[in-house]
Amino acid sequence: DAGVTQSPTHLIKTRGQQVTLRCSPKSGHDTVSWYQQALGQGPQFIFQYYEEEERQRGNFPDRFSGHQFPNYSSELNVNALLLGDSALYLCASSLWVYNEQFFGPGTRLTVL
Amino acid sequence: GIQVEQSPPDLILQEGANSTLRCNFSDSVNNLQWFHQNPWGQLINLFYIPSGTKQNGRLSATTVATERYSLLYISSSQTTDSGVYFCAVESGNDYKLSFGAGTTVTVRA
Repeated sequence: DAGVTQSPTHLIKTRGQQVTLRCSPKSGHDTVSWYQQALGQGPQFIFQYYEEEERQRGNFPDRFSGHQFPNYSSELNVNALLLGDSALYLCASSLWVYNEQFFGPGTRLTVL
Repeated sequence: GIQVEQSPPDLILQEGANSTLRCNFSDSVNNLQWFHQNPWGQLINLFYIPSGTKQNGRLSATTVATERYSLLYISSSQTTDSGVYFCAVESGNDYKLSFGAGTTVTVRA
């Protein structure tokens, strides 16, 4: 049973560029959440997707957008990258709501 | 939103020692999870424990929902237990996990 997978593992971009991160949920899960973890801090919630709709959004600007596909996989897009967007981006999957969330290995984004 | 406080922020242990990590939260919860983050950043699920007590090998956890706290016990610690331990909760109509700041555990041989 494959767990949550994310790609790419690492990414280096320059300010102003755009980036797309990808996530495949654990088998049987229908909900995907994205988190941003800055160095030395706990993960911060970006948004959650369920049935291809954004169900809840955290305190992140509109530069952060996402998508969920019919097979439940998801993408996180960040436009107009800033130096402060450098972080570990984590994807989590779960079944519907209030159930255990499982995390992928993360994508480490560096913005130069 | 809900506040999650973890203590202590840092813990240094000798191999073989026991320890207790604490998580306090400010509101009722629908979900509480404990994670161990390894040096590569992977969050590893330890416990899904919105209430009650669970044990898994040398680790155990207790959540007292009515008093709004959870405890993670590590017994006979090993160097591989080193890392950051996070408590995270879902509360009310929130579907997100709100994380504490973590406890950094260092186990010395």
